[in-house]
Amino acid sequence: SQTIHQWPATLVQPVGSPLSLECTVEGTSNPNLYWYRQAAGRGLQLLFYSVGIGQISSEVPQNLSASRPQDRQFILSSKKLLLSDSGFYLCAWSGGLAGADTQYFGPGTRLTVL
Amino acid sequence: GQNIDQPTEMTATEGAIVQINCTYQTSGFNGLFWYQQHAGEAPTFLSYNVLDGLEEKGRFSSFLSRSKGYSYLLLKELQMKDSASYLCAVTDPKAGFQKLVFGTGTRLLVSP
Repeated sequence: SQTIHQWPATLVQPVGSPLSLECTVEGTSNPNLYWYRQAAGRGLQLLFYSVGIGQISSEVPQNLSASRPQDRQFILSSKKLLLSDSGFYLCAWSGGLAGADTQYFGPGTRLTVL
Repeated sequence: GQNIDQPTEMTATEGAIVQINCTYQTSGFNGLFWYQQHAGEAPTFLSYNVLDGLEEKGRFSSFLSRSKGYSYLLLKELQMKDSASYLCAVTDPKAGFQKLVFGTGTRLLVSP
């Protein structure tokens, strides 16, 4: 069966500091990968998606970036965090061996920028 | 673009039945998803409707009417653990990938 991992689970960072969140998927190959952000009391906002290694598309211009160095690894980064970057960051996957459209979410990282 | 509307909050009693509605306006449509999200946790997949009609999965059922841009999630025999937010999401066929557009969710509170 497929599983998706994210770390860290929680993070408190000062404004202007860098960020690196990691997501890995097990049990499938060539999945589509996604990064979402959920601000308090708001809906899920798609930040980035990837259909393959090195292929990243951005949905929202901002100070965040994403990379996919390996087939089942997706990384969200920032060089300098802003207060507005606080939120719940979720990684998701779809497709792969299952070939299905449903997106499955990782446990998430709660980021607080102070 | 896509626009999705859900009630912000609903309350119900343990053992009862509740229906959570979702309406959408889209420039195209491939399917509609329902997810459950407990406070502080990630969303978990509940159902996927592509064709009109009712899909039943145990205590949960989901209905879709593509001509009306309307879906609902029906929860039967409510339990306290069903207290959560329920997210409606539709696919964006113009995106060129499996893009989901999410509503802001309906917070369901189940009381004893």
